[in-house]
Amino acid sequence: QVQLQESGPGLVKPSGTLSLTCAVSGGSVSNTNWWSWVRQPPGKGLEWIGEIYHSGNTNYNPSLKSRVTISVDKSKNQFSLKLNSVTAADTAVYYCATAVPYYMGVWGKGTTVTVSS
Amino acid sequence: EIVLTQSPGTLSLSPGERATLSCRTTQSVSSSYIAWYQQKPGQPPRLLIYATSSRATGIPDRFSGSGSGTDFTLNISRLEPEDFAVYYCQQYGPSPMYTFGQGTKLEIK
Repeated sequence: QVQLQESGPGLVKPSGTLSLTCAVSGGSVSNTNWWSWVRQPPGKGLEWIGEIYHSGNTNYNPSLKSRVTISVDKSKNQFSLKLNSVTAADTAVYYCATAVPYYMGVWGKGTTVTVSS
Repeated sequence: EIVLTQSPGTLSLSPGERATLSCRTTQSVSSSYIAWYQQKPGQPPRLLIYATSSRATGIPDRFSGSGSGTDFTLNISRLEPEDFAVYYCQQYGPSPMYTFGQGTKLEIK
């Protein structure tokens, strides 16, 4: 069973770049899954950020597309999220998940990112 | 963009009762593209149902999904104490690829 673990800074300054990594264990990032990022602001619902395939193909949420980059590192069996020009509205729990079309089957535990000076 | 509206926002029931949660979409959605998740405080979402009515691995058979077109339903036949949580529906579409409903909180009456 694939397991996912998010990691990265818990505090990012406004206008800075949020960078997170999702380590994949129990499976290979090169398998047939897509790999997604989802976030959840405090007390609110879920928002899909984007996804990547091991080939490097990506799909992004249009609402975030101009600020988001998702990449994959097959040598380290992980994928990453970068979100630039962050504001307080980007404060959230960030989850990585497997995206088996058309749903997300396995989720990481999530990591909290706060945008504050 | 397809918008998902869940109702009710909060559902207050007692253990042993039946819960019916609704998810309506603004456009017709293929039944293959609807999923349901359960989320408890401090935990990630857990996949319950995919393709409208297929239970995910390890999900008890008291959970069932149904629907078509723009109306989808999650039923929990006999509520157990561990079922009280927030439930989200999700659809897969052209852009954005995944959208979620705002959630239904199932609370103990």
